[in-house]
Amino acid sequence: AQKITQTQPGMFVQEKEAVTLDCTYDTSDPSYGLFWYKQPSSGEMIFLIYQGSYDQQNATEGRYSLNFQKARKSANLVISASQLGDSAMYFCAMREGPYFGNEKLTFGTGTRLTIIP
Amino acid sequence: NAGVTQTPKFQVLKTGQSMTLQCAQDMNHEYMSWYRQDPGMGLRLIHYSVGAGITDQGEVPNGYNVSRSTTEDFPLRLLSAAPSQTSVYFCASRGRDRGTSPLHFGNGTRLTVT
Repeated sequence: AQKITQTQPGMFVQEKEAVTLDCTYDTSDPSYGLFWYKQPSSGEMIFLIYQGSYDQQNATEGRYSLNFQKARKSANLVISASQLGDSAMYFCAMREGPYFGNEKLTFGTGTRLTIIP
Repeated sequence: NAGVTQTPKFQVLKTGQSMTLQCAQDMNHEYMSWYRQDPGMGLRLIHYSVGAGITDQGEVPNGYNVSRSTTEDFPLRLLSAAPSQTSVYFCASRGRDRGTSPLHFGNGTRLTVT
């Protein structure tokens, strides 16, 4: 089974609208962390937001928020008031288990977001 | 503020050739890792290191070697390049903490093996 599933290969959204990018995960470990990264056409990987499995509140970073539904094992990224610069590939990733020394991040296959003027 | 620096940006190899992808970070991060990105597959971990002198295998280690003689540098060696190793390679690092800190990525190396 896929550990990280992103079911939307591509999305088109009108500028200034909010957008939700889906991510579901699979783990039996009670300790895990979820990350979202943005990859523009220039190719670099940019960290957006982090959610820990024990965090009581949904993470927020500026226009980015993470809709964390633990029972459903979903960690959807919400971008409010989308901008043309948000057009990029977005990856969801998970780190499982004991944190110290655990360097394995499992990535989803990504969602390509295109913002339409 | 350089962060994670990868060289070269682009490389073309013939099958059977060897080469080293360079990675250096100036943030005094203990953890460093190499990922490869292939179309439709996200990023997959090749090797990682939790400190100088310590390395371990990731998900797809075959055909690659690493060593970590200093905190700053973490080179990735392709022993005998194969077309299946055509990919974009990312080096990443992070500081030592409880695991909440994100990976800082380099800008990637696009490798083509013919």
